[in-house]
Amino acid sequence: DTGVSQNPRHKITKRGQNVTFRCDPISEHNRLYWYRQTLGQGPEFLTYFQNEAQLEKSRLLSDRFSAERPKGSFSTLEIQRTEQGDSAMYLCASSLLSSGGTDTQYFGPGTRLTVL
Amino acid sequence: TQLLEQSPQFLSIQEGENLTVYCNSSSVFSSLQWYRQEPGEGPVLLVTVVTGGEVKKLKRLTFQFGDARKDSSLHITAAQPGDTGLYLCAGDRGATNKLIFGTGTLLAVQP
Repeated sequence: DTGVSQNPRHKITKRGQNVTFRCDPISEHNRLYWYRQTLGQGPEFLTYFQNEAQLEKSRLLSDRFSAERPKGSFSTLEIQRTEQGDSAMYLCASSLLSSGGTDTQYFGPGTRLTVL
Repeated sequence: TQLLEQSPQFLSIQEGENLTVYCNSSSVFSSLQWYRQEPGEGPVLLVTVVTGGEVKKLKRLTFQFGDARKDSSLHITAAQPGDTGLYLCAGDRGATNKLIFGTGTLLAVQP
């Protein structure tokens, strides 16, 4: 399977615990995005990387959230001191910026986080 | 601020009926993408439209990008139960190409 993969698929944690999610993009895609989706809503942008550089972060990304893409391949998203409001589906997408400037993003299956 | 409004939010129809989903904005987008999402899964890309006025067809699905690149529509002909899902439009505005998603249209096709 050469699509975007995410692990774990589901995570249940207690309030106050730290969690880390992993995203493996499509091979050779230079851009990687994180989105968050709550029930009944469309995904909302959190942050994005071009290669290993984190170039933009949403205001939704509080200081409890940190994302890395150390070698320009896989990425991790960590949430510290989780709160019930963090419960959501966390989606990763990757893309290959073309010379024409278009950027089609392909999404992974997501990680469903439940904070008790 | 919701930049992309989709309508209708919910749609329940019988197999064989036609339907249209609308995605509207007051902002101009470089491109617009349509995705379909099933429960517990990530969005799956259906189409990307780039040029104002562009029409793309994918079997029974027809996608149109408005002339001013501010709105789009998805038309499904002879809907089937397998078309059931959440349909999302997403616009791409800036250099980062981050997507701004619409509110979604939940479609249920009854056999």
